[in-house]
Amino acid sequence: AQTVTQSQPEMSVQEAETVTLSCTYDTSESDYYLFWYKQPPSRQMILVIRQEAYKQQNATENRFSVNFQKAAKSFSLKISDSQLGDAAMYFCAYRILQGGSEKLVFGKGTKLTVNP
Amino acid sequence: NAGVMQNPRHLVRRRGQEARLRCSPMKGHSHVYWYRQLPEEGLKFMVYLQKENIIDESGMPKERFSAEFPKEGPSILRIQQVVRGDSAAYFCASSLGRQLDTQYFGPGTRLTVL
Repeated sequence: AQTVTQSQPEMSVQEAETVTLSCTYDTSESDYYLFWYKQPPSRQMILVIRQEAYKQQNATENRFSVNFQKAAKSFSLKISDSQLGDAAMYFCAYRILQGGSEKLVFGKGTKLTVNP
Repeated sequence: NAGVMQNPRHLVRRRGQEARLRCSPMKGHSHVYWYRQLPEEGLKFMVYLQKENIIDESGMPKERFSAEFPKEGPSILRIQQVVRGDSAAYFCASSLGRQLDTQYFGPGTRLTVL
């Protein structure tokens, strides 16, 4: 069964500093998609970044980038120049395509605090 | 281009009542997904629908829960005879359904069962 593990329930970072959130996953598939979603106190789920497994190049979106290690099944999120608005829960997700169906499997999340 | 809409944002029900949660997908999206988030947990998949079809309901509890996505109108997640354990945030997502597409989430409905 596909599982997603986020081993850091909470993290904190100083404003303007860099922080890395960890995520590992388990799958027997060779082609798949990985995502990071942000959930601020409003509880809206906001897509931060996505990575296709067949792409060797790590995805980047402005201050957000990933370190995708396919062999190690690791997909960490790096936030550079952290801002107060980055404070939120961050969820790593794996996309399953199976028998005509499609779903996301989420980790339990990492709560990120940004200190001024 | 409006995003995924969900209503109500907050719903309070007493045990035994019915809860109806609505989801309007993004314009042009014909694929809808429902997820449930219990306190301190990540989102858990419930059901995947296309217009007039349930594609995958493997995450739905066997009893009391049902979902539909009619040809016209929003998708509905219906919970009959609610119990306290149904208290959670329910999120809807939509996509174009193509293999490379991303699921975009609505703001969620927070259900509280008294």
